[in-house]
Amino acid sequence: DVKVTQSSRYLVKRTGEKVFLECVQDMDHENMFWYRQDPGLGLRLIYFSYDVKMKEKGDIPEGYSVSREKKERFSLILESASTNQTSMYLCASSTRTGGNNEKLFFGSGTQLSVL
Amino acid sequence: GESVGLHLPTLSVQEGDNSIINCAYSNSASDYFIWYKQESGKGPQFIIDIRSNMDKRQGQRVTVLLNKTVKHLSLQIAATQPGDSAVYFCAERVGGGSYIPTFGRGTSLIVHP
Repeated sequence: DVKVTQSSRYLVKRTGEKVFLECVQDMDHENMFWYRQDPGLGLRLIYFSYDVKMKEKGDIPEGYSVSREKKERFSLILESASTNQTSMYLCASSTRTGGNNEKLFFGSGTQLSVL
Repeated sequence: GESVGLHLPTLSVQEGDNSIINCAYSNSASDYFIWYKQESGKGPQFIIDIRSNMDKRQGQRVTVLLNKTVKHLSLQIAATQPGDSAVYFCAERVGGGSYIPTFGRGTSLIVHP
């Protein structure tokens, strides 16, 4: 059974802290994504990676960075957490098979609260 | 992500009824569309997809219809069950090699027993 695992289900941090959100997939997928989900705003892409050590900015990269040192792991980093980064963070992965069959597989999400 | 939108944010139906969730898109270059279901406390899960060279695709109790003329996508759920209660997202992907989907804001489906 395919799986995308996010290290924490709930996380509470203080303003100014450095925060790491970890994501691991076991499907040997090339692509990995970080989204944030806020009520009424749907899913917004923060960063994505199409290969090890490769990364591209999404729609809302400000205040975030990412790391992909291994194919199966994609980390989201908040260098200095702020209250407006309180949100649900979703990690996803997909394969590049060509054609139009690159559906995303999502983790269960990390609900981050920044106080 | 603003090009993918929804007609109704919340849909309430009775158990056993058929449900129709609508989605509008504005990018005529989109060639691949996906519906996801997100249950409370979980990440979105793939339900069904459709390519732009198709008008209709059926799965188990679900059907996706694509009308490229008016840039409209719909998800039909037959004999809706309480377990279908969730938020449903449509996503589109622009052709030309992109593998990044753009998500709509979601529709909450509430099934009353």
